[in-house]
Amino acid sequence: DSGVTQTPKHLITATGQRVTLRCSPRSGDLSVYWYQQSLDQGLQFLIQYYNGEERAKGNILERFSAQQFPDLHSELNLSSLELGDSALYFCASSVSSSNQPQHFGDGTRLSIL
Amino acid sequence: GQQLNQSPQSMFIQEGEDVSMNCTSSSIFNTWLWYKQDPGEGPVLLIALYKAGELTSNGRLTAQFGITRKDSFLNISASIPSDVGIYFCAGRMDSNYQLIWGAGTKLIIKP
Repeated sequence: DSGVTQTPKHLITATGQRVTLRCSPRSGDLSVYWYQQSLDQGLQFLIQYYNGEERAKGNILERFSAQQFPDLHSELNLSSLELGDSALYFCASSVSSSNQPQHFGDGTRLSIL
Repeated sequence: GQQLNQSPQSMFIQEGEDVSMNCTSSSIFNTWLWYKQDPGEGPVLLIALYKAGELTSNGRLTAQFGITRKDSFLNISASIPSDVGIYFCAGRMDSNYQLIWGAGTKLIIKP
C-alpha cells in the first residue's frame, strides 16, 4: 500500500460528460502529480501541484483541469469527454518538488462509451 | 521534449533466467528511479539511485546509476512468475526537477 488513495476505482460515462477524479496523497507529502496511461502505453505527465499551487504542466488538454485543496487532496476534472480520453489516470505524491521519488495510487480507470 | 530510451520494449524469458534492461538519455541526470507496474495497478518504486556509479539492490533486483550519468541499468536475477509486469525507468536532470519517464519494458515469462 503506497498510502496514496484514488477514488473512484472505475468510472464509466458517455462522450460529452464531465467527471472528477480524486486523490489523497500520502501523509506528509506536499506534491501531487497526475498522469494518464492509455492502453499498453507509458505514463503521460499531466500536471503537478505543490502545497496548493500549480508547479508544472505537461501534456494536459485544455478540457482538463486540476486543483489541490488546503488539506492537500487533489482533484482532476475532465470535461467534454471524448472516446480517446478512456485511460487509467494515476495520481502520485512526493514529499516535495525536488529530489524525491513519487509514490503512486492504484489509479482510476475511466471508460467513455 | 527530453526523452528516455528504454530497452528492450519487451522480453520473453524462461523462469529462472536473469533479466537486464536499461535506460539511456542524451542529457545528464542526477536521479534514476525504477518502478514496476502490475496489470491494473499503479507503478511501485523498486529502486532509487542518486549518485553516479551507485549500485543498489532490492532482493533479486539490482540497479546501477551509470558513470556517465546518462544511463541506468536494472537486472533481475533468477526470474520468477511474479516478476511479470512492466518496468519503467524515470530520471531527473540537474536543470529540471521534473521526472522524465521511459516507455517501459514489458516482461513476460514463458511457461
